[in-house]
Amino acid sequence: GAVVSQHPSWVICKSGTSVKIECRSLDFQATTMFWYRQFPKQSLMLMATSNEGSKATYEQGVEKDKFLINHASLTLSTLTVTSAHPEDSSFYICSALVPRDSLGQPQHFGDGTRLSIL
Amino acid sequence: RKEVEQDPGPFNVPEGATVAFNCTYSNSASQSFFWYRQDCRKEPKLLMSVYSSGNEDGRFTAQLNRASQYISLLIRDSKLSDSATYLCVVVKDYKLSFGAGTTVTVRA
Repeated sequence: GAVVSQHPSWVICKSGTSVKIECRSLDFQATTMFWYRQFPKQSLMLMATSNEGSKATYEQGVEKDKFLINHASLTLSTLTVTSAHPEDSSFYICSALVPRDSLGQPQHFGDGTRLSIL
Repeated sequence: RKEVEQDPGPFNVPEGATVAFNCTYSNSASQSFFWYRQDCRKEPKLLMSVYSSGNEDGRFTAQLNRASQYISLLIRDSKLSDSATYLCVVVKDYKLSFGAGTTVTVRA
């Protein structure tokens, strides 16, 4: 089945650091990927839709200059949290649209990245 | 109003019990519906799709009521391994909207 790999799975860094998270589709081409954020005991919230070769579409309230998304190839999207602060600490998950998925899954998820900013 | 609302629980049930819970959604134009399972600090994993006719997958039964805009999940003969947070997911135009999850804890 379609596999989405996300890296790193856990990041701890100092306030002010920029952190890059990678999301790869391993055995299929993903023209559309999504980035979500989940705070403890809350739902996954869509941050942005990443389209290969074009600018990402950000959801209302998400700062595009703080959360830089690059989708330069059909198998890789990256999310960079620039100048991260403690309030950016969260669980970040990417997903990819899989066309004609036989199980009916709307999207396939990466393993997630737990980001902790000290 | 949130797009998808769920009773957060927790539902604490003994092994072998039946547990059921619902979620409601606000967008009547929503196109497809799913239950996902999320274990602590992990990504969500698809449990099952939800149809108006109702569908079963082993011990799990899901039901969609479009008129009332709610979705239900029933777990029969609960196992310890069923302990998790269950996320209600509503889809429109490839966009997923998640509920905050219902936590189920099955005890021995």
